[in-house]
Amino acid sequence: GNSVTQMEGPVTLSEEAFLTINCTYTATGYPSLFWYVQYPGEGLQLLLKATKADDKGSNKGFEATYRKETTSFHLEKGSVQVSDSAVYFCALSDSSGGYQKVTFGIGTKLQVIP
Amino acid sequence: EPEVTQTPSHQVTQMGQEVILRCVPISNHLYFYWYRQILGQKVEFLVSFYNNEISEKSEIFDDQFSVERPDGSNFTLKIRSTKLEDSAMYFCASTEQNTVETQYFGPGTRLLVL
Repeated sequence: GNSVTQMEGPVTLSEEAFLTINCTYTATGYPSLFWYVQYPGEGLQLLLKATKADDKGSNKGFEATYRKETTSFHLEKGSVQVSDSAVYFCALSDSSGGYQKVTFGIGTKLQVIP
Repeated sequence: EPEVTQTPSHQVTQMGQEVILRCVPISNHLYFYWYRQILGQKVEFLVSFYNNEISEKSEIFDDQFSVERPDGSNFTLKIRSTKLEDSAMYFCASTEQNTVETQYFGPGTRLLVL
């Protein structure tokens, strides 16, 4: 079946540091890939997405590129801020059976310190 | 901005008791979902619901679970006889269309079974 593997946290960075959170996936067919973010006390929010190989998703300074050859979708940001502290989930879509559902990774907690 | 709400935010119950988790999806949405996350594990799909019936369910969603849209605004998840292993964060999601990109998640209900 489908699965998503992402690095476990917590990840602690100083403000303005470079961020990479690794994510790899296993899927049949050609899934769409996503990063979700969960800020403290809030629900899951879609951060960015990519729907086919070599697509780059980007939002709020975060980027991730759909790499089919390495089955990866690593999240990067050049300069993190304290407000980026949250849990980040890598995910893929699974439309088997015709209804969309999301397969998530375990989540990586990011803490940015001033 | 419209949002999915969930109540309660936290619930503690005794093993064997019934619990009902409530969600109010965004008002014009047609597809509804429940996910759960056991502490330290992945967010897992439980069930999807459309047109007043279950459209897909995972192997986790056994006979102890049921979902209902009792009044056109609420979407509930009932666990008939809770087990210790039901302790988790439960997320509701809704979407207007059958696309993953437009799934909106609620903040979650943390259930603790003692």
